[in-house]
Amino acid sequence: EIVLTQSPATLSLSPGERATLSCRASQSVSNFLAWYQHKPGQAPRLLIYDASNRATDIPARFSGSGSGTDFILTISSLEPEDSAVYYCQQRYNWLSFGGGTKVEI
Amino acid sequence: EVQLLESGGASVQPGGSLRLSCAASGFTFSSYAMSWVRQASGKGLEWVSGISGSGGSTYYADSVQGRFIISRDNSRNTLYVQMNRLRVEDTAIYYCAIGGSSTWFQDWGQGTLVTVSS
Repeated sequence: EIVLTQSPATLSLSPGERATLSCRASQSVSNFLAWYQHKPGQAPRLLIYDASNRATDIPARFSGSGSGTDFILTISSLEPEDSAVYYCQQRYNWLSFGGGTKVEI
Repeated sequence: EVQLLESGGASVQPGGSLRLSCAASGFTFSSYAMSWVRQASGKGLEWVSGISGSGGSTYYADSVQGRFIISRDNSRNTLYVQMNRLRVEDTAIYYCAIGGSSTWFQDWGQGTLVTVSS
């Protein structure tokens, strides 16, 4: 089983600041990694797939990078509506999610 | 517009059973693998089960293997999961999602709450 470890657990930043979220895999997942945004009471939303491709209608301030075991989700300039929990997910070997990073703005 | 509407969530005693449904619209249902993903209170997302577009292949997390059965009715555009021998640790919001082991979870429903408690 591939374990995804996300850090930090919580990120508290101000509007306009840059957020950097990390996801580390216990073994290589190549680029089979995605990022989701989840707000309370809402459906999760796919942000980034294949490590660095933005999903449909996702703003350009969201970007993903990395391959192998280390991945980064960057929100270049935080908006108030970006408050959410962000999860990484791999499908290289079966399916698993990371524990999430809560972004507070 | 893609819509996924879960139903069937309820409060049930340990050892009981429940069937969840997910009504899909806005896309060619039979062409897509589908999955159930859950989130326990205060916890992260956990993939539970998946099924191929035809329904011929099914997949389960170890935590539910042998207790849950996923199925679909492509004539009704509906996804199901039959949950048997429920445990307290199955308490969660259950989401249906388009996707599986070979595709990303591109769309999700709003979820339905399952509570297992005595």
